[in-house]
Amino acid sequence: EPEVTQTPSHQVTQMGQEVILRCVPISNHLYFYWYRQILGQKVEFLVSFYNNEISEKSEIFDDQFSVERPDGSNFTLKIRSTKLEDSAMYFCASGLAGGGEQFFGPGTRLTVL
Amino acid sequence: KNEVEQSPQNLTAQEGEFITINCSYSVGISALHWLQQHPGGGIVSLFMLSSGKKKHGRLIATINIQEKHSSLHITASHPRDSAVYICAVKGAQKLVFGQGTRLTINP
Repeated sequence: EPEVTQTPSHQVTQMGQEVILRCVPISNHLYFYWYRQILGQKVEFLVSFYNNEISEKSEIFDDQFSVERPDGSNFTLKIRSTKLEDSAMYFCASGLAGGGEQFFGPGTRLTVL
Repeated sequence: KNEVEQSPQNLTAQEGEFITINCSYSVGISALHWLQQHPGGGIVSLFMLSSGKKKHGRLIATINIQEKHSSLHITASHPRDSAVYICAVKGAQKLVFGQGTRLTINP
């Protein structure tokens, strides 16, 4: 069964460093999403992406964040200059339709020291 | 006030019991999702519904649009059902998540 994959599973970085989190959505899906979950808190929406552009972003998704679909398969989240408070689990999701079911990846745990 | 409220926050039950988890929301929605988060952190979509009721195996999800309320039921609960169950509502585009209900089923 097709699934969303994410790499790496765990990333440790120093404050101020740039990180790129990678996702491979399900191949025929058209809508892509990033979410984050700070330890012990609820899941929060970051950004949605469709037709090679951001369709919606939250107030969390500031200028330090960017997303890209560099080729036909990868979907990346870049954090330019990480802060301690960026430490969280980051989930990628994809869906066939904008209002439809979303399939989540296993997550990348980002630890900023 | 949170847009999505779940109750209870924690639920412990014995194997075989009938489980109900509730979700109330305060905004207009196009769909409601029930998700399961495993102890390792992975998230699995259980249901997406916009009206009525859906059933998958031992899981049943209902939604009442007028009352802005949804329930997730588990029949004949099993220890492997132990997880965090999350309700998320979809407005125009983004999903807004509840805080989750931690379910523990003891053998």
